[in-house]
Amino acid sequence: AQKITQTQPGMFVQEKEAVTLDCTYDTSDPSYGLFWYKQPSSGEMIFLIYQGSYDQQNATEGRYSLNFQKARKSANLVISASQLGDSAMYFCAMREGNSGYSTLTFGKGTMLLVSP
Amino acid sequence: GAGVSQSPSNKVTEKGKDVELRCDPISGHTALYWYRQSLGQGLEFLIYFQGNSAPDKSGLPSDRFSAERTGGSVSTLTIQRTQQEDSAVYLCASSLVGGQVINEQYFGPGTRLTVT
Repeated sequence: AQKITQTQPGMFVQEKEAVTLDCTYDTSDPSYGLFWYKQPSSGEMIFLIYQGSYDQQNATEGRYSLNFQKARKSANLVISASQLGDSAMYFCAMREGNSGYSTLTFGKGTMLLVSP
Repeated sequence: GAGVSQSPSNKVTEKGKDVELRCDPISGHTALYWYRQSLGQGLEFLIYFQGNSAPDKSGLPSDRFSAERTGGSVSTLTIQRTQQEDSAVYLCASSLVGGQVINEQYFGPGTRLTVT
């Protein structure tokens, strides 16, 4: 079974609108972390936001927020007020355990296109 | 400050040749990770280093792949007798460990390897 599932290969949104990118995960470890990364066409991976499994509140970073539903094992990324520069691939990733050394398991990504 | 750097940025090699890919992590980051990203796919974990040792080599696809890290800093990923299926972007990441809750990984720009 896949550990990280991103069901949307591509998403389209108009500038200034909000968009939700889906991510579900599978783990039996009670301690884990969920990450979202952005990969523009230039190729670099940019860290956006993190949610720990024990965090009581949904994470927020500027225009990014994470809709964390633990019982459903989902960690959707919400981008508010989309901008043209948000067009990129978005990857959800999970780290299991709490050692800090654990590697990340990535989903296949969602391509987001923001139109004027 | 300087981010993660990788060299070369692009490498074209003939099938059967050996290649070396280099990663220079962020100064002070004790953890270093190698991933591979094939066209249109997510990231596939290869190996990670904790200081100079590699506790987890489980992601290396075959014994043609090896990696080392010296002085707790620079790492080299070596692919021997390259095959066409080795063509991908090889990404390196580094992170702080210990005392940090998130320990997000910072990625380099990648090396695009093309085997002809």
